[in-house]
This record gives sequence, C-alpha cells and structure tokens, in this order.
Amino acid sequence: QLQLQESGSGLVKPSETLSLTCTVSGGSISSSSYYWGWIRQPPGKGLEWIGSIYFSGSTYYNPSLKSRVTMSVDTSKNQFSLKLSSVTAADTAIYYCARLYSGYNWGSSYHYYYMDVWGKGTTVTVSS
Amino acid sequence: QSVLTQPPSVSGAPGQRVTISCTGSSSNIGAGYDVHWYQQVPGTAPKVLIYRNTNRPSGVPDRFSGSKSGTSASLAITGLQAEDAADYYCQSYDSSLSGSVFGGGTKLTVL
Repeated sequence: QLQLQESGSGLVKPSETLSLTCTVSGGSISSSSYYWGWIRQPPGKGLEWIGSIYFSGSTYYNPSLKSRVTMSVDTSKNQFSLKLSSVTAADTAIYYCARLYSGYNWGSSYHYYYMDVWGKGTTVTVSS
Repeated sequence: QSVLTQPPSVSGAPGQRVTISCTGSSSNIGAGYDVHWYQQVPGTAPKVLIYRNTNRPSGVPDRFSGSKSGTSASLAITGLQAEDAADYYCQSYDSSLSGSVFGGGTKLTVL
C-alpha cells in the first residue's frame, strides 16, 4: 500500500532554511486525484497546514507562512519537498507529509481535499 | 487561536456516547465547505476518521459518525472503548484564508 517517508535535517539553526523531502512508495506521485502536502505540529499543540502541491507543480500555501515556504515536486524520484526559510524557535515541530485526496463539491462549487495517507512524521528542532 | 473551535477535552466511560463539536463561521463550515475528522493516538500520525462530513473510510468502525449543520460540525462516538482515547481534529477550508484550516483539537479521555 502507499507509504510516505519524511527525511531531512532534524536540527536547524535560527535564520537558516529548513529542508525536508517526502518519498512516496507503493504508488505514483503523478496520480491525477491527489495533491501532496505538509502539515506540522508544534510540541504539545495542534495541527497546522503548511501547503500543498500537485504533480504538475501547482502550489497552495498557508498565507501565514507563504513568504517563507517553497514546495517542489520531483516526479522522476516520486518525491516532493518543503523549504522553510528564516526559521525561528516557533518553527520547531513534528513535520508530516501527507497525500491529499481531492474532489469537487458541486453543491458548494469548490475543490475539497483531505489527508488520507500520512507519513510518520519527522521532528525538526530550531536551535543554535 | 484556531479558526475552527473545538472543546479542549471530553471524557466518557466505556460503552457511553460522546460528541465533539467543531464550530466555524460563514467563511468555512457555514459557507458549505466540507468537514473532515482525524484521530491522533499519542505518538503517532493522524488518521482520517470521517471525510466530507459523514463518510467513513473503510476500516473505520461504524461507532464513529459525523454530522454538519450551519456553521458547526460534530463527531459522535458510541460504545466508547479504551482504544478511542486520542486527540481528535476537525479540518475544513476557509475562503478568507484561502486554505485548509484545522480545529485546535480535542483530547478524549476514556474513564
């Protein structure tokens, strides 16, 4: 079955750039019904959507993080990535990658999506 | 402060029924956007429990059900079991923020 695995730097210095990659196995990242996304969870706190990307490269970012976030996709490697610049201690969190099932709600005329497969998460600490 | 408001905690005895509310506004739930629910057992990744307000993925027991009305949604769990102890999150879309939003999460304690 589909599996997602996060990898990347677990310790990042303040003001530097956090870089994570999510490797997709057991399925293709180029599936038309799915987006791919990043969600984070600060210690002891709730979930925060960071952004989503389609295999074509189209991206959607959380407005509160948009100025610092860059997401990319590499279909040849079945991977997608996250870069978060100018990090501070507030960016310390467990970072999850996820597959987002996408469909169209005709009644409300919008594309919905929900996270149907999650990676196990990777802890990123911002500290000098 | 989350855009979607959930009670911080709920509790119930084994076999009982509990509900978890998710209150939004006219820019998210009230606008007709779907609500999805996730269960997160401590130390593990979240798992989708209910999608599009009322639908259960295969493998999720029918003890879990979702509903939506106006600017709110609810998750109901009947026949409470010890293994249901977890954090629960609602998620929807917000047109003002142009993105996905989560509730603050609700910790369920099985007494």
